[in-house]
Amino acid sequence: EAQVTQNPRYLITVTGKKLTVTCSQNMNHEYMSWYRQDPGLGLRQIYYSMNVEVTDKGDVPEGYKVSRKEKRNFPLILESPSPNQTSLYFCASSPRNNLLYGYTFGSGTRLTVV
Amino acid sequence: AQKITQTQPGMFVQEKEAVTLDCTYDTSDPSYGLFWYKQPSSGEMIFLIYQGSYDQQNATEGRYSLNFQKARKSANLVISASQLGDSAMYFCAMRERVSQGNLIFGKGTKLSVKP
Repeated sequence: EAQVTQNPRYLITVTGKKLTVTCSQNMNHEYMSWYRQDPGLGLRQIYYSMNVEVTDKGDVPEGYKVSRKEKRNFPLILESPSPNQTSLYFCASSPRNNLLYGYTFGSGTRLTVV
Repeated sequence: AQKITQTQPGMFVQEKEAVTLDCTYDTSDPSYGLFWYKQPSSGEMIFLIYQGSYDQQNATEGRYSLNFQKARKSANLVISASQLGDSAMYFCAMRERVSQGNLIFGKGTKLSVKP
C-alpha cells in the first residue's frame, strides 16, 4: 500500500530533551515536507526537500532540523524542544513539481512538550 | 498577504442538505493547483478534490464539487447531501509552480452536520 509512515503517533517529552520524529514513504517521491498544525493557524510548512541531500526552510523552521540522506526518509529533529513546539506534525510527500498531484500525508504526530 | 483565505471559521448544516465552504486565493502564477482536504477528529488529512488552473470544467468527486471561478480567484467546495460523517475540519490549499510546488493551506473551516 502506498503510504507515508510517521512515528511516533503520540509523544510527550520534557523541555530540552532531543527528539526525532521519523517519516518514511514507499512511493519513490522526490518531494517531502514537514508541517505543523496549530488551532486557528492551519498547517504551516517547517522544512521541505526536493530530493536527496536537498532541503530548504519553510515558513516556520526555527527550532527544527531535517535531513534527507535517502529518498524514502525525511526525519524531523528537535534538538532542544520547547513548549511552543507542542503541536500536531505532519509529514507529506509528492512527485516533484507535478501540480496534478496533491500530497500524500502521514497520519500525524501529536507532540506535547512540558 | 494571505495566499489562501477561508472566511468561515465554523459552519453548521442540516443532514441531507448541501453546503458551500468558501475559499479565495491569491497568486500571480498562471500555473497552480487547488486542493481541498478533510480532517476528521481523528486527525488524518484526507484528500478530497483537485482543480488545476487550466482546467475548463469544475472538478467533481462523488458528493464533492469545486466551484472554480478563476477571475474571482475563488475555489469553493460544495458538499451535496451532507452526512453526519462529514463533520470535520476542511482545508483549502494551493500549489504554485513558481514556489516549487509547496502546498499552502488556509486556516480551515469547521463543519458540523446536525441530525
